[in-house]
Amino acid sequence: GAVVSQHPSRVICKSGTSVKIECRSLDFQATTMFWYRQFPKKSLMLMATSNEGSKATYEQGVEKDKFLINHASLTLSTLTVTSAHPEDSSFYICSASGPGGSSYNEQFFGPGTRLTVL
Amino acid sequence: AQSVTQLDSHVSVSEGTPVLLRCNYSSSYSPSLFWYVQHPNKGLQLLLKYTSAATLVKGINGFEAEFKKSETSFHLTKPSAHMSDAAEYFCVVSDRRSSASKIIFGSGTRLSIRP
Repeated sequence: GAVVSQHPSRVICKSGTSVKIECRSLDFQATTMFWYRQFPKKSLMLMATSNEGSKATYEQGVEKDKFLINHASLTLSTLTVTSAHPEDSSFYICSASGPGGSSYNEQFFGPGTRLTVL
Repeated sequence: AQSVTQLDSHVSVSEGTPVLLRCNYSSSYSPSLFWYVQHPNKGLQLLLKYTSAATLVKGINGFEAEFKKSETSFHLTKPSAHMSDAAEYFCVVSDRRSSASKIIFGSGTRLSIRP
């Protein structure tokens, strides 16, 4: 149980375009989802926390207009990188937690999405 | 405030020898502690978690960790390393007081296994 999927697993786009990444909890209801960014050989950096049906809470330094997060249902959150630039290239990982799928603040992680902006 | 420190950025051991990955934490309240493993270009897999039950926690793939409050440590060990253990390992701390709160990642330890 407690499986989280991400789609796509890998995406290459041109500079200036927008890219949407989906994060789904497959077998539990995720009241909270988290989006992380990971640079090569670095740890995960929390970008934002989203609760179903409300606006996401962004970490300091993360541009909310650049990284649009939507958590419209208890099983789906999306991250849209708007007007992507090469510096946005990174590994994006989502995680989910919720009353049906976790305890003690355990988060369940998706497999990640590798974004490359040309 | 919470924080977590992984004392070694890189650990290299020979196959078949013990593994020790060190983690120290700081938390104002009773913490939940986790160890995750990440293989190259993959997501994170939970190895084990401490949530206030037994202080010695056994996880998957032969890993275990011991919660030592007096030392504020949660070191990860394995008696005998296998080549497939080569990966990045993250120690994570969370505040158990509130649900769905943020978790704090350590900087990671890269484990290399020599044949």
